[in-house]
Amino acid sequence: DAKTTQPTSMDCAEGRAANLPCNHSTISGNEYVYWYRQIHSQGPQYIIHGLKNNETNEMASLIITEDRKSSTLILPHATLRDTAVYYCIVRVGNAGNMLTFGGGTRLMVKP
Amino acid sequence: GAVVSQHPSWVICKSGTSVKIECRSLDFQATTMFWYRQFPKQSLMLMATSNEGSKATYEQGVEKDKFLINHASLTLSTLTVTSAHPEDSSFYICSVPGLANEKLFFGSGTQLSVL
Repeated sequence: DAKTTQPTSMDCAEGRAANLPCNHSTISGNEYVYWYRQIHSQGPQYIIHGLKNNETNEMASLIITEDRKSSTLILPHATLRDTAVYYCIVRVGNAGNMLTFGGGTRLMVKP
Repeated sequence: GAVVSQHPSWVICKSGTSVKIECRSLDFQATTMFWYRQFPKQSLMLMATSNEGSKATYEQGVEKDKFLINHASLTLSTLTVTSAHPEDSSFYICSVPGLANEKLFFGSGTQLSVL
């Protein structure tokens, strides 16, 4: 699986959009971009994933650059409960394989 | 609702004892489950892949005789930490592939503290 690079930490004001970047310059054509988050002392939670088109669901939006070498997870209106570590993971989709977690970005949403 | 049920949420045990952690897939039949370990302020590290009806596959550096995995049914995998020591204190998390293996669902984790 391709390696990803994320900032170690970020702050965001409550109610504002949180934009979390991820670089994956070595991504292959059949690899998807996945985002998970882990709230303190809990198991990771799936957020969203995509191949090349931008995706949106009830939790977030995923913007993937045209060359697919980077992406941005957008939480449109961050709340205090969005404080968590966000992991960007690149892997071959539908493979049934485990996920390899990097360091992630620790997002702190502040009042 | 929860897709994966993991128990117990936390356990404290004496050094030398064994601890069993259960992971149940509530919505899917799972021929494969994954066990992760997470030390404080670190990321999740894959320990082993649990395979229904066959032996588990362990990652390099994980002792198979210490971390016993049993996947006896399509909905239950157990991880037993045998002869636990303080250095085994960690957060253990299981995960289950969803339909079409598109995403993984994670249990709530088990915090193990060995005294």
